[in-house]
Amino acid sequence: DQQVKQNSPSLSVQEGRISILNCDYTNSMFDYFLWYKKYPAEGPTFLISISSIKDKNEDGRFTVFLNKSAKHLSLHIVPSQPGDSAVYFCAASRDYNNNDMRFGAGTRLTVKP
Amino acid sequence: ETGVTQSPTHLIKTRGQQVTLRCSSQSGHNTVSWYQQALGQGPQFIFQYYREEENGRGNFPPRFSGLQFPNYSSELNVNALELDDSALYLCASSLAAQGTPETQYFGPGTRLLVL
Repeated sequence: DQQVKQNSPSLSVQEGRISILNCDYTNSMFDYFLWYKKYPAEGPTFLISISSIKDKNEDGRFTVFLNKSAKHLSLHIVPSQPGDSAVYFCAASRDYNNNDMRFGAGTRLTVKP
Repeated sequence: ETGVTQSPTHLIKTRGQQVTLRCSSQSGHNTVSWYQQALGQGPQFIFQYYREEENGRGNFPPRFSGLQFPNYSSELNVNALELDDSALYLCASSLAAQGTPETQYFGPGTRLLVL
């Protein structure tokens, strides 16, 4: 059962422009949402998170927006840089202990110079 | 560099065999989770160990089992391998007391191919 969905397998943007990656979820019990970034031959690394009590969290060039009523979150990267090229995974958890964290299938972002 | 290592990096087995994958967690991390990432998919939660006891399990059959040791290392064992077990296996360690999922650190994974 795919409780977390990333419907765009790939996204290509020009350097300096905004990248918007989208994620939808079906389980209303999810309480915590995360974005991970993965380079080839490396494990996913944590990028940014948001709890269900907030609708926005910002960290430098990265902002995550959460729309609970739509069960939708998005990651905005602005300005995009070539080093941002990677696979981005959206993940959701029902508790803070990472137990049974659910991941989307990922979106491959390519930022062109 | 997350401080989490996994061995081996690649492995080829045949159907029906057994395999053991190893993970060395960050020092002091008392929680380890294992994930299976099939090609083109996101990681799927297999199970989590906390202080050497299983602390949650995803939708995987009993032939997937694990161990966690006091020295912050852990193992994932898979018996009676099937072709669909071919995937990247990721371990992730965290310190449960810190209480937030972003404190989970992933290793680079072991790529298993079952022929």
